[in-house]
Order: sequence, then structure tokens, then C-alpha cells
Amino acid sequence: GAVVSQHPSRVICKSGTSVKIECRSLDFQATTMFWYRQFPKQSLMLMATSNEGSKATYEQGVEKDKFLINHASLTLSTLTVTSAHPEDSSFYICSARQVYEQFFGPGTRLTVL
Amino acid sequence: AQKVTQAQTEISVVEKEDVTLDCVYETRDTTYYLFWYKQPPSGELVFLIRRNSFDEQNEISGRYSWNFQKSTSSFNFTITASQVVDSAVYFCALSEGSSNTGKLIFGQGTTLQVKP
Repeated sequence: GAVVSQHPSRVICKSGTSVKIECRSLDFQATTMFWYRQFPKQSLMLMATSNEGSKATYEQGVEKDKFLINHASLTLSTLTVTSAHPEDSSFYICSARQVYEQFFGPGTRLTVL
Repeated sequence: AQKVTQAQTEISVVEKEDVTLDCVYETRDTTYYLFWYKQPPSGELVFLIRRNSFDEQNEISGRYSWNFQKSTSSFNFTITASQVVDSAVYFCALSEGSSNTGKLIFGQGTTLQVKP
């Protein structure tokens, strides 16, 4: 099956710093990638749809300027959490779309102190 | 509006028992896709099954089986002879075909605990 990687798997940072998370499709090209956020014991909430070569589409209530998404190539999308605060601490999961399937990365656990 | 409801928040069974996880969905589309994912404690989502709205055949894969009923908008998942390794959070999800965005709407998840 298709493989999606995320880096880093875990990050701890100080409040006010920016954190970049990478999502890569390793063995296929993905024009569309998705970013989800999952708080403890909750479901996955879609944050944005990342389209290669164009601007991301954000879900209602997600701040574009805080969660910057770049999808510069067919195998890489990045999510940058700018000026992170403790309430941004969460599990961030990306997925890459291939036809009707979504292949998920292993997730990145962000802890903001 | 599309919505996925997993009414069971937590289920606890003893090993070898059968268990059914419920999933009810809402959509106005005639073309849609339904999914089940498993999320073990490690956090990584494991794909279990995809069903399109035109295929109502039930499916069996080893100890797993799925019952898709359009009449009741349900897509239930049964684990037969449960094992401790089945302990995880299970998510049902829906993707609408008309929008062609591929966006997934997840249910709230059901935490399954299988005790030895």
C-alpha cells in the first residue's frame, strides 16, 4: 500500500515559537493532501485541504495565518504552526489522497510549553 | 450536511466475545464512500475498509465483517472472537462523491477495550 511519512514524530517547543511539520508521500504522487488535528480522546478534525501548486482550503474556524500550509511538490506538504501556544498542543495527522483513498501519516505530537 | 455518528463511546468486552461497533451517517449525496479506520495507542490510523454507496454487499475479512444498510444509513462493524490486540479506537468516516474533494468526515470514535 501507499506510504505517507511525517516528520517530526514528536516535537516540544516553547510558547511563541514556530513549528514546521512535513508530510511526504513516499511512493506515489498526491495532488491533494489533508491536515487533521486530534485532541486527546477526540475525533480527527479536518483543518485544511492542501492542493499542489495552489492555496490551501481551510475549514471554518481554522486560522489561515496561524496554520500555514505549503504544498510545493506532488510529494510534500508542510504545515507550519506559527507563534505556537499551549492550546495548539495536539496530535497533527496528514493524509495524501490517491483516487478515492486517503493514506495517513503516523502523526506528529506537538507539545507547546 | 454530512455527519457521522458513532453512538458508542466506549465498549469493553472479554476476549473471544463478538462485538459490534455502530455507525450511522447522514448525507444528501447519492454517491458517497464509507470507511472504517483503527487507531491503536501508537496513534497511526490503520485503514480497514472502504465501501461505495452502490455496493451494499456485506463483507467479511477474517474476524472482521461489515454490514452496510442504506435503508437505515448504517455501516456497522463486527469483530468476531475478539482479541486483546483489537483494543483500539475505531473510527467510521464518510466522503461525499459529488464534491470530489475527497474530504473525510469522521465519527466521534468508539474505544474498544478487550480484556484477557
